[in-house]
Amino acid sequence: AQTVTQSQPEMSVQEAETVTLSCTYDTSESDYYLFWYKQPPSRQMILVIRQEAYKQQNATENRFSVNFQKAAKSFSLKISDSQLGDAAMYFCAYRRYGNKLVFGAGTILRVKS
Amino acid sequence: GAVVSQHPSWVICKSGTSVKIECRSLDFQATTMFWYRQFPKQSLMLMATSNEGSKATYEQGVEKDKFLINHASLTLSTLTVTSAHPEDSSFYICSAGDSYSGNTIYFGEGSWLTVV
Repeated sequence: AQTVTQSQPEMSVQEAETVTLSCTYDTSESDYYLFWYKQPPSRQMILVIRQEAYKQQNATENRFSVNFQKAAKSFSLKISDSQLGDAAMYFCAYRRYGNKLVFGAGTILRVKS
Repeated sequence: GAVVSQHPSWVICKSGTSVKIECRSLDFQATTMFWYRQFPKQSLMLMATSNEGSKATYEQGVEKDKFLINHASLTLSTLTVTSAHPEDSSFYICSAGDSYSGNTIYFGEGSWLTVV
């Protein structure tokens, strides 16, 4: 079975600085999708960024980028120029085509002003 | 991105009664929807996969007779908590995706259930 591991229960970053959230996963499949979701205090799950496993190029969405290392099964999220609104719980997730999402335990990100 | 709407956002019910939560995909057809439960400061726990026109697939340990899931159309799935008890109080979230979204799953706003 696929598993997703987020080894950082909590992280802190100073406003305007950069932070990296770690995620590793375990799968025997070669074709799959990886996601980072943000969950603010409102509890709404917001898609931050997604990566297709067949793509070598790392996905980027404005201040958010990933470092996808397929061989190492690593999928970290980098947040640049951190803002107060970035404070939230972040979940890394894995999905095979048509199947359910498998979530990591989450990382609480605190942003200090 | 695609929009998933969940209703109600908050519901309080008496112990022993049933409560229904709706999940709608507003701008796409969802053949599959997923229902999650989340405890404070924890990850999302998948309860069941809802398939349009067929029976839901429940995860191990989830009581199918207590958490009734119906997926009658391509845009609507419902979760009914039957004979609710205080321990059923939780945050419930639904999600759905379509082929056009490239396998991205979108989430509803979630529903807070309090059983008194």
